[in-house]
Amino acid sequence: EADIYQTPRYLVIGTGKKITLECSQTMGHDKMYWYQQDPGMELHLIHYSYGVNSTEKGDLSSESTVSRIRTEHFPLTLESARPSHTSQYLCASSDTGNQPQHFGDGTRLSIL
Amino acid sequence: RKEVEQDPGPFNVPEGATVAFNCTYSNSASQSFFWYRQDCRKEPKLLMSVYSSGNEDGRFTAQLNRASQYISLLIRDSKLSDSATYLCVVKTGNQFYFGTGTSLTVIP
Repeated sequence: EADIYQTPRYLVIGTGKKITLECSQTMGHDKMYWYQQDPGMELHLIHYSYGVNSTEKGDLSSESTVSRIRTEHFPLTLESARPSHTSQYLCASSDTGNQPQHFGDGTRLSIL
Repeated sequence: RKEVEQDPGPFNVPEGATVAFNCTYSNSASQSFFWYRQDCRKEPKLLMSVYSSGNEDGRFTAQLNRASQYISLLIRDSKLSDSATYLCVVKTGNQFYFGTGTSLTVIP
């Protein structure tokens, strides 16, 4: 079983609030990823990191930001949440070579 | 052109049936291939990696055809618990490309 953790699992919050979604992994993986997924829809990559102090935007335009100060930690921040941010956010990590991704349980975010 | 193309289904099959999912990828430089399973409102979970020689894990068999850039998953003797969405995933460099997923419902 992969050791990657996301908190909170569920968050319901009002418009305009600043939100940070946490993601931590204990596998020492250099590569970490954030995806956004609406119910019944495909995953969209919003941010990724190949190591400490390295972050890139993904394919889907997102108003969120990320940081990678430590290998094990890859938080995602929304400065001012809006109803359009309502979705499931999935964090993943992977090792080098031909290794697969491992996903956290996800954060289900609802902005009122 | 999408990196990974996958038939979305849905596939509705009776218990005990054999079902096959197919997937094609566009980048010949892709180096690793996987099938993931995703249950409703849950995270994707690795089902199996796909190797060039083909590989089997119990009732599940995965095949890779690099010449045709084609990946398949065969499920034999379907169980009710196999009902889920199956995602074809291709790794190119450090990036993972996901298919849209194929929905499977196994009917009693």
